[in-house]
Amino acid sequence: NAGVTQTPKFRILKIGQSMTLQCAQDMNHNYMYWYRQDPGMGLKLIYYSVGAGITDKGEVPNGYNVSRSTTEDFPLRLELAAPSQTSVYFCASSPGQGITEAFFGQGTRLTVV
Amino acid sequence: LAKTTQPISMDSYEGQEVNITCSHNNIATNDYITWYQQFPSQGPRFIIQGYKTKVTNEVASLFIPADRKSSTLSLPRVSLSDTAVYYCLVGPRGGAAGNKLTFGGGTRVLVKP
Repeated sequence: NAGVTQTPKFRILKIGQSMTLQCAQDMNHNYMYWYRQDPGMGLKLIYYSVGAGITDKGEVPNGYNVSRSTTEDFPLRLELAAPSQTSVYFCASSPGQGITEAFFGQGTRLTVV
Repeated sequence: LAKTTQPISMDSYEGQEVNITCSHNNIATNDYITWYQQFPSQGPRFIIQGYKTKVTNEVASLFIPADRKSSTLSLPRVSLSDTAVYYCLVGPRGGAAGNKLTFGGGTRVLVKP
């Protein structure tokens, strides 16, 4: 059971480039989340999804886009990368709403130069 | 989710018990208290959840007083590998209000030899 898988693990982008961070889960969870974590800080919610075809903004959505065409996949798109988007990105999934046990991926470390 | 307040950091020594208190004065009747643990360079992992009184598992104990306005996560006989950031989350286990799984800054626990 792989759980939540994120790819790539590391990436360096140049300012203005675009990329997609991939997230896949094999637990048939309806709820999925994207977070960013800056050095020494807590997690900030970027976007979340309550099921295929349904997404909503979190605390810091600007500069990002998401889609949820299947239950398993929840990619995060960065358009026109900026140095402020240098961070570690975590994807998570949970079986139910609210404060249920969420499962996290290992993260993607992104550097924008 | 309900607003929570927890210490920014705590130091301890191997073999000691670590107690982290989380304040949540505005906790609602249907809110649960959940704690996550995040090791360096990893995503958070769920460690314990409770509603009232005391909950214990193989990792920690969670103490919740009768008024539920605070809670204490207790880590018995810590080792160096318990060095991590611990997050307290308070919210419902269902309903639209609980869809946004948001994290605060957490408590950074450093266990020294």
